[in-house]
Amino acid sequence: QSALTQSASVSGSPGQSITISCTGTSSDVGGYNYVSWYQQHPGKAPKLMIYDVSKRPSGVSNRFSGSKSGNTASLTISGLQADDEADYYCSSYASSSTLVFGGGTKLTVL
Amino acid sequence: QVQLQESGPGLVKPSQTLSLTCTVSGGSISSGSHYWSWIRQPAGKGLEWIGRIFTSGSTNYNPSLKSRVTISLDTSKNQLSLKVNSVTAADTAVYYCARDRPDSPAFEVWGQGTMVTVSS
Repeated sequence: QSALTQSASVSGSPGQSITISCTGTSSDVGGYNYVSWYQQHPGKAPKLMIYDVSKRPSGVSNRFSGSKSGNTASLTISGLQADDEADYYCSSYASSSTLVFGGGTKLTVL
Repeated sequence: QVQLQESGPGLVKPSQTLSLTCTVSGGSISSGSHYWSWIRQPAGKGLEWIGRIFTSGSTNYNPSLKSRVTISLDTSKNQLSLKVNSVTAADTAVYYCARDRPDSPAFEVWGQGTMVTVSS
């Protein structure tokens, strides 16, 4: 079970849009529609932002959206705000009823 | 609203067993159809899923940790527990418990996390 692959960092200016990718295999991302995304501010627990590829939990801004194509999932944040600066992790359900996380992407709002 | 709180020793000696508890409040750990997971995060690094337990007691573990990990439920105390055997410095991390959504394996509810250091 290998970690999903995320770019280490991404940046954008306030008001812009950014996309974070998460690449796995046909045994995880590509095989199931159970990709989720988490936002983590320093010293805090992660917060669920997107689940089942593209669904938003109640209370999460519609500036956050998710998608998937093949073995790669993506998180898009539109209208960047200062508070969006955080680490973002993807996760996927995988074969043998396991879960796997990505290595995380640090988002910097310039 | 369900809340989770991890607790346990902050310092464990190498080769010993790490034992943590997650206390659930605001709901019963045995109600509904939920998976309860343990997840850890070494300082400055990413999240690692350790394993999970269903309300029925069935478990799934990360293959890389399976031989050293046990997750269990204590419904009388509304708690889940984690044991990691034969710890090394590589097990030093913040440990989180989390609960999934009723309709998805996504981690919807998280504890605040507890830091465990493995050192002599």
